[in-house]
Amino acid sequence: GAVVSQHPSWVICKSGTSVKIECRSLDFQATTMFWYRQFPKQSLMLMATSNEGSKATYEQGVEKDKFLINHASLTLSTLTVTSAHPEDSSFYICNAPGQTYGYTFGSGTRLTVV
Amino acid sequence: GNSVTQMEGPVTLSEEAFLTINCTYTATGYPSLFWYVQYPGEGLQLLLKATKADDKGSNKGFEATYRKETTSFHLEKGSVQVSDSAVYFCALSDPGNTPLVFGKGTRLSVIA
Repeated sequence: GAVVSQHPSWVICKSGTSVKIECRSLDFQATTMFWYRQFPKQSLMLMATSNEGSKATYEQGVEKDKFLINHASLTLSTLTVTSAHPEDSSFYICNAPGQTYGYTFGSGTRLTVV
Repeated sequence: GNSVTQMEGPVTLSEEAFLTINCTYTATGYPSLFWYVQYPGEGLQLLLKATKADDKGSNKGFEATYRKETTSFHLEKGSVQVSDSAVYFCALSDPGNTPLVFGKGTRLSVIA
Protein backbone atom coordinates (compact mmCIF):
# COMPACT_ATOMS: atom_id res chain seq x y z
CA GLY A 1 0.00 0.00 0.00
CA ALA A 2 0.86 3.67 -0.04
CA VAL A 3 3.25 5.04 2.56
CA VAL A 4 3.83 8.60 3.69
CA SER A 5 7.06 9.06 5.60
CA GLN A 6 6.98 11.94 8.06
CA HIS A 7 10.07 13.35 9.78
CA PRO A 8 11.02 14.13 12.39
CA SER A 9 8.79 12.08 14.65
CA TRP A 10 9.50 14.42 17.52
CA VAL A 11 11.39 17.65 17.98
CA ILE A 12 12.13 20.00 20.84
CA CYS A 13 13.10 23.54 19.92
CA LYS A 14 13.70 26.84 21.64
CA SER A 15 11.17 29.60 21.47
CA GLY A 16 11.81 31.84 18.48
CA THR A 17 13.41 29.22 16.27
CA SER A 18 11.92 27.55 13.20
CA VAL A 19 11.18 23.90 12.65
CA LYS A 20 10.64 22.10 9.36
CA ILE A 21 8.51 18.98 9.10
CA GLU A 22 8.73 16.83 5.97
CA CYS A 23 6.26 14.41 4.49
CA ARG A 24 7.34 12.20 1.61
CA SER A 25 5.15 9.88 -0.37
CA LEU A 26 7.34 6.82 -0.90
CA ASP A 27 5.61 4.83 -3.60
CA PHE A 28 3.04 7.12 -5.09
CA GLN A 29 2.64 10.68 -6.24
CA ALA A 30 0.89 12.96 -3.81
CA THR A 31 -0.49 15.90 -5.72
CA THR A 32 -2.33 17.02 -2.59
CA MET A 33 -1.31 16.97 1.06
CA PHE A 34 -3.47 17.90 4.02
CA TRP A 35 -1.82 19.18 7.19
CA TYR A 36 -3.52 18.69 10.54
CA ARG A 37 -2.75 19.76 14.07
CA GLN A 38 -3.81 17.85 17.15
CA PHE A 39 -3.65 19.29 20.65
CA PRO A 40 -3.49 16.88 23.60
CA LYS A 41 -6.65 14.86 24.00
CA GLN A 42 -8.34 16.71 21.17
CA SER A 43 -9.31 15.94 17.63
CA LEU A 44 -7.44 16.68 14.43
CA MET A 45 -7.98 20.12 13.02
CA LEU A 46 -7.23 20.83 9.39
CA MET A 47 -4.65 23.58 9.06
CA ALA A 48 -4.06 23.78 5.34
CA THR A 49 -4.15 22.01 2.02
CA SER A 50 -1.10 21.99 -0.21
CA ASN A 51 -1.13 21.19 -3.90
CA GLU A 52 1.98 20.47 -5.90
CA GLY A 53 3.20 23.54 -7.73
CA SER A 54 0.73 26.00 -6.25
CA LYS A 55 0.16 28.00 -3.10
CA ALA A 56 -1.31 26.30 -0.08
CA THR A 57 -4.85 26.99 1.04
CA TYR A 58 -5.13 27.79 4.73
CA GLU A 59 -8.08 27.26 7.01
CA GLN A 60 -9.60 30.20 8.79
CA GLY A 61 -7.57 31.26 11.78
CA VAL A 62 -4.32 29.63 10.65
CA GLU A 63 -1.52 32.13 10.11
CA LYS A 64 0.02 31.47 6.72
CA ASP A 65 3.13 33.48 7.56
CA LYS A 66 3.73 31.38 10.63
CA PHE A 67 3.02 27.98 9.12
CA LEU A 68 4.80 27.92 5.79
CA ILE A 69 3.80 25.08 3.52
CA ASN A 70 5.72 24.08 0.44
CA HIS A 71 4.80 21.36 -2.03
CA ALA A 72 7.54 21.64 -4.58
CA SER A 73 7.37 18.11 -5.94
CA LEU A 74 4.91 15.25 -6.29
CA THR A 75 6.59 13.36 -3.46
CA LEU A 76 7.46 16.03 -0.91
CA SER A 77 5.44 18.48 1.14
CA THR A 78 6.92 20.46 4.02
CA LEU A 79 5.50 22.47 6.90
CA THR A 80 7.76 25.02 8.55
CA VAL A 81 6.73 26.48 11.87
CA THR A 82 8.45 29.85 11.96
CA SER A 83 9.38 31.68 15.15
CA ALA A 84 7.85 28.92 17.20
CA HIS A 85 6.33 29.66 20.60
CA PRO A 86 5.16 27.32 23.37
CA GLU A 87 1.55 27.61 22.19
CA ASP A 88 2.64 26.00 18.90
CA SER A 89 3.52 22.82 20.77
CA SER A 90 1.30 20.16 19.25
CA PHE A 91 1.14 16.99 17.20
CA TYR A 92 1.31 17.71 13.48
CA ILE A 93 0.14 15.10 10.97
CA CYS A 94 0.18 15.08 7.20
CA ASN A 95 -2.29 13.17 5.07
CA ALA A 96 -2.29 12.41 1.37
CA PRO A 97 -5.52 11.44 -0.38
CA GLY A 98 -5.44 9.03 -3.29
CA GLN A 99 -7.82 7.08 -5.44
CA THR A 100 -6.05 3.76 -5.15
CA TYR A 101 -5.24 3.56 -1.46
CA GLY A 102 -7.51 6.18 0.03
CA TYR A 103 -6.15 8.49 2.69
CA THR A 104 -2.59 7.82 3.83
CA PHE A 105 -1.34 9.44 7.02
CA GLY A 106 2.17 10.24 8.07
CA SER A 107 3.16 8.99 11.51
CA GLY A 108 3.03 12.47 13.00
CA THR A 109 5.50 14.93 14.52
CA ARG A 110 5.33 15.92 18.13
CA LEU A 111 6.64 19.47 18.47
CA THR A 112 7.57 20.83 21.86
CA VAL A 113 8.64 24.47 22.08
CA VAL A 114 10.48 25.42 25.24
CA GLY B 1 -20.62 22.49 6.35
CA ASN B 2 -19.94 18.86 7.08
CA SER B 3 -19.54 17.72 10.67
CA VAL B 4 -19.14 14.58 12.74
CA THR B 5 -20.43 14.02 16.25
CA GLN B 6 -19.29 11.08 18.30
CA MET B 7 -20.00 10.04 21.83
CA GLU B 8 -17.98 11.59 24.57
CA GLY B 9 -15.49 9.48 26.36
CA PRO B 10 -13.68 8.12 28.09
CA VAL B 11 -15.19 4.68 27.85
CA THR B 12 -13.93 2.02 30.23
CA LEU B 13 -14.83 -1.62 29.65
CA SER B 14 -13.81 -4.96 31.01
CA GLU B 15 -12.13 -7.40 28.68
CA GLU B 16 -14.61 -9.35 26.50
CA ALA B 17 -17.33 -6.72 26.94
CA PHE B 18 -19.38 -5.43 24.02
CA LEU B 19 -18.35 -2.08 22.59
CA THR B 20 -20.45 0.55 20.88
CA ILE B 21 -19.17 4.01 20.02
CA ASN B 22 -21.84 6.18 18.48
CA CYS B 23 -21.14 8.42 15.52
CA THR B 24 -23.53 10.63 13.59
CA TYR B 25 -22.75 12.98 10.76
CA THR B 26 -24.07 15.98 8.89
CA ALA B 27 -23.24 16.27 5.22
CA THR B 28 -24.75 17.90 2.19
CA GLY B 29 -23.92 15.12 -0.25
CA TYR B 30 -22.99 11.45 -0.08
CA PRO B 31 -19.83 11.22 1.97
CA SER B 32 -17.56 8.28 2.65
CA LEU B 33 -17.35 7.34 6.32
CA PHE B 34 -14.34 6.13 8.26
CA TRP B 35 -13.19 4.96 11.64
CA TYR B 36 -9.58 5.62 12.58
CA VAL B 37 -7.69 4.40 15.65
CA GLN B 38 -4.84 6.17 17.38
CA TYR B 39 -2.65 4.33 19.85
CA PRO B 40 -0.72 6.37 22.43
CA GLY B 41 2.01 8.47 20.86
CA GLU B 42 1.27 7.26 17.35
CA GLY B 43 -0.40 8.50 14.21
CA LEU B 44 -3.76 7.45 12.86
CA GLN B 45 -4.51 4.05 11.40
CA LEU B 46 -7.52 3.31 9.26
CA LEU B 47 -9.73 0.80 11.04
CA LEU B 48 -12.57 0.51 8.54
CA LYS B 49 -14.57 2.48 6.04
CA ALA B 50 -17.79 2.53 4.05
CA THR B 51 -18.41 4.47 0.89
CA LYS B 52 -22.17 4.22 0.36
CA ALA B 53 -25.40 3.65 2.21
CA ASP B 54 -25.89 0.20 3.79
CA ASP B 55 -22.23 -0.68 3.31
CA LYS B 56 -20.70 -2.45 6.29
CA GLY B 57 -17.04 -1.88 7.03
CA SER B 58 -15.25 -4.46 9.14
CA ASN B 59 -11.75 -5.16 10.39
CA LYS B 60 -10.17 -6.90 13.38
CA GLY B 61 -13.57 -7.74 14.84
CA PHE B 62 -14.81 -4.16 14.58
CA GLU B 63 -17.67 -3.26 12.30
CA ALA B 64 -19.80 -0.28 11.38
CA THR B 65 -22.72 0.12 8.99
CA TYR B 66 -23.39 3.24 6.93
CA ARG B 67 -26.96 4.22 7.81
CA LYS B 68 -28.15 7.02 5.59
CA GLU B 69 -31.61 7.18 7.14
CA THR B 70 -30.20 7.91 10.59
CA THR B 71 -26.95 9.55 9.33
CA SER B 72 -25.00 7.24 11.58
CA PHE B 73 -21.90 5.04 11.47
CA HIS B 74 -21.68 3.45 14.92
CA LEU B 75 -18.63 1.36 15.73
CA GLU B 76 -19.17 -2.02 17.37
CA LYS B 77 -17.09 -4.92 18.58
CA GLY B 78 -18.46 -8.00 20.24
CA SER B 79 -15.59 -8.71 22.61
CA VAL B 80 -12.94 -6.11 23.34
CA GLN B 81 -9.38 -6.84 24.38
CA VAL B 82 -6.89 -4.86 26.42
CA SER B 83 -4.98 -4.23 23.20
CA ASP B 84 -7.99 -2.31 21.83
CA SER B 85 -7.31 0.51 24.29
CA ALA B 86 -6.85 3.59 22.12
CA VAL B 87 -8.61 6.68 20.85
CA TYR B 88 -11.15 6.11 18.10
CA PHE B 89 -12.08 8.80 15.59
CA CYS B 90 -15.07 8.83 13.30
CA ALA B 91 -14.53 10.82 10.11
CA LEU B 92 -16.13 11.63 6.79
CA SER B 93 -15.04 12.92 3.43
CA ASP B 94 -16.80 14.22 0.38
CA PRO B 95 -16.04 12.58 -2.97
CA GLY B 96 -12.73 13.53 -4.56
CA ASN B 97 -9.53 14.68 -2.90
CA THR B 98 -11.23 16.48 -0.06
CA PRO B 99 -9.94 16.60 3.51
CA LEU B 100 -11.31 14.35 6.21
CA VAL B 101 -13.56 15.89 8.83
CA PHE B 102 -13.06 14.27 12.22
CA GLY B 103 -15.17 13.81 15.29
CA LYS B 104 -13.63 14.70 18.64
CA GLY B 105 -12.48 11.18 19.35
CA THR B 106 -13.47 8.65 21.99
CA ARG B 107 -10.89 7.26 24.36
CA LEU B 108 -11.41 3.58 25.12
CA SER B 109 -9.76 1.84 28.02
CA VAL B 110 -10.13 -1.92 28.36
CA ILE B 111 -9.17 -3.44 31.68
CA ALA B 112 -8.32 -7.07 32.31
